[in-house]
Parts: sequence; C-alpha cells; structure tokens
Amino acid sequence: DSGVTQTPKHLITATGQRVTLRCSPRSGDLSVYWYQQSLDQGLQFLIQYYNGEERAKGNILERFSAQQFPDLHSELNLSSLELGDSALYFCASSVGRGDRYEQYFGPGTRLTVT
Amino acid sequence: GDSVTQMEGPVTLSEEAFLTINCTYTATGYPSLFWYVQYPGEGLQLLLKATKADDKGSNKGFEATYRKETTSFHLEKGSVQVSDSAVYFCVVRNRDDKIIFGKGTRLHILP
Repeated sequence: DSGVTQTPKHLITATGQRVTLRCSPRSGDLSVYWYQQSLDQGLQFLIQYYNGEERAKGNILERFSAQQFPDLHSELNLSSLELGDSALYFCASSVGRGDRYEQYFGPGTRLTVT
Repeated sequence: GDSVTQMEGPVTLSEEAFLTINCTYTATGYPSLFWYVQYPGEGLQLLLKATKADDKGSNKGFEATYRKETTSFHLEKGSVQVSDSAVYFCVVRNRDDKIIFGKGTRLHILP
C-alpha cells in the first residue's frame, strides 16, 4: 500500500459526459501528479501540482482540467468524454516538487466510456 | 520533442538468466532518468534512478548507468527470478519537469 488513495476504483460513463476523479496524496506530500495509461498511448504524464499550484504540464487535453485543494487532495476533471478517453488514470504523490523526490503511485481509477 | 525508446516485449527468460532491457532517449540538456516497474494489477513503483551522467542507479539486483554519450539507460540484472515478472518502463524527466515514458517492456520469467 503506497498510502495514495484514489476514488472511485471503476467508473463507467457515456460519451459526452463529465467525470471527476479524486486523489488523496500520502500524508505530508505536497506534490500530486496525474497520469493516463491506455493501450493506444501507453503511459502519459498529464499534469503536476505542488502545494496548490500547477507545476508542470504534459499531454493534457483541453477537455481535461485538474486542481489541488488546500488540504492537498487533487481532482482531475474530464469533460465531453470520448471513447478514446477510456483508460486507467493514476495519481502519484511526492514530498517535494523535483525529480529527487520519489513518487508513490495510487492504485488507479479505471474509466470506461461507452 | 523529447522521447524514450525501449525494446519491445514481451521478453521471456528462464530463472537465473541475465537480463538486459535497452532504453535510449532524446532530450535536451541533462534530464533525469528512471526505471519504473508495474507488477500485475498494481500501480507503478520506482525501481531505480540516475540524475547525472555516469551515475549508476541500483535496487533489488537491478542496475542502470546514465550514458550521456550514447543517450542510453539500459536496465540489467545478473540473475532474474520469477518474482521479477512485470512490466518495466524507462522514464525521462526533462529540465521543464515534463515526464516522458517509454512504451514498457513486459518481462516473463519461467521457473
């Protein structure tokens, strides 16, 4: 158990809908990262937040947005969902914001868009 | 743009065999390099890392050396075990903190 929790574990929704994925980092971790893992695209880094501020951005679509709240949990919002958004979404947390801090991954949220 | 290329799998080996998984990257400047492992049904775990040229990362018998001249970070283990069966990802973090994953190499170890 990494100490990172993600809810829900599974989510099934229809095209065009909007969903929110939630991540609670390990106690004391200030950084949260979001990743997408799909069969087509493999693993992709989406976005990083550090202590409430956006820190780095990867291949995140404009239909997707994220935020980190004062209690440090984070949410990833996916809107106008398409079939191709079906994937496993991981979040990870670390103490600091740079690469010398190990990232701890949550178990993921599996999103199925029908 | 920056990219990571790692050998395609699956790789199937017998227990106690020598393992090499090749990884090369394209990135400007001096990125940090990582190997992550994903065991069946689990999230990713950091296996090892190297943050500057000629650094060697090591963990659980796995090693990889940051080779700036060949832009490579090959993963090696002298004697694999059945419990090493997993998917291995080579990862680059560039100077803009953007993180790029290789496509992953699935490793099967036969008893």
